[in-house]
Amino acid sequence: EIVMTQSPATLSVSPGERATLSCRASQSVSSNLAWYQHKPGQAPRLLIYGASTRATGMPARFSGSGSGTEFTLTISSLQSEDFAVYYCQQYNNWPHTFGGGTNVEIK
Amino acid sequence: EVQLVQSGAEVKKPGESLKISCKGSGYSFTSYWIGWVRQMPGKGLEWMGIIYPGDSDTRYSPSFQGHVTMSADKSISTAYLQWSSLKASDTGMYYCARRSGSYSSWGQGTLVTVSS
Repeated sequence: EIVMTQSPATLSVSPGERATLSCRASQSVSSNLAWYQHKPGQAPRLLIYGASTRATGMPARFSGSGSGTEFTLTISSLQSEDFAVYYCQQYNNWPHTFGGGTNVEIK
Repeated sequence: EVQLVQSGAEVKKPGESLKISCKGSGYSFTSYWIGWVRQMPGKGLEWMGIIYPGDSDTRYSPSFQGHVTMSADKSISTAYLQWSSLKASDTGMYYCARRSGSYSSWGQGTLVTVSS
């Protein structure tokens, strides 16, 4: 199975600052990579699919890039509602594995 | 509007059986895969497997194969996740999600607690 590795595990950022999250796949997943935002007590929410396409209703401050094995999620200017755990997931091969998550916390 | 509504929280004892549900509405239930995702307490998301309600084609993660069973009843637009013999380590939140490439719509989650 494809192993997804996210870094860092925790990212401490001040509101208004830029956050850059990384995700690496153990083998190529082409552009079949999604990012999800997960807050306590809520269901995960799709942010980005196809590595770089924002899901419906997602703010423009979220952007994704990469292909193959290296991917990045960038939040250009963190808002209070953006503090959450972010997961990448590949859906190129079964099983559709998730990364371990990056916890974006308030600095 | 696409909606996935899951059954309520469950408290069970080790060795008991359990079946939780995920009812889809607002779309053609038989045309989209439904996946299941586990989150153990304090841990990350784990992809368990997926079912295509149209023909019940099912794919399991090796980590869950043989321990859970996924099924679907297309007559009532409902997918199921079941255990025949629960363990304490099955405690967690379980989400269903509709796949359209990625997983764009999610249920609210079902909390399963297994404790003696």
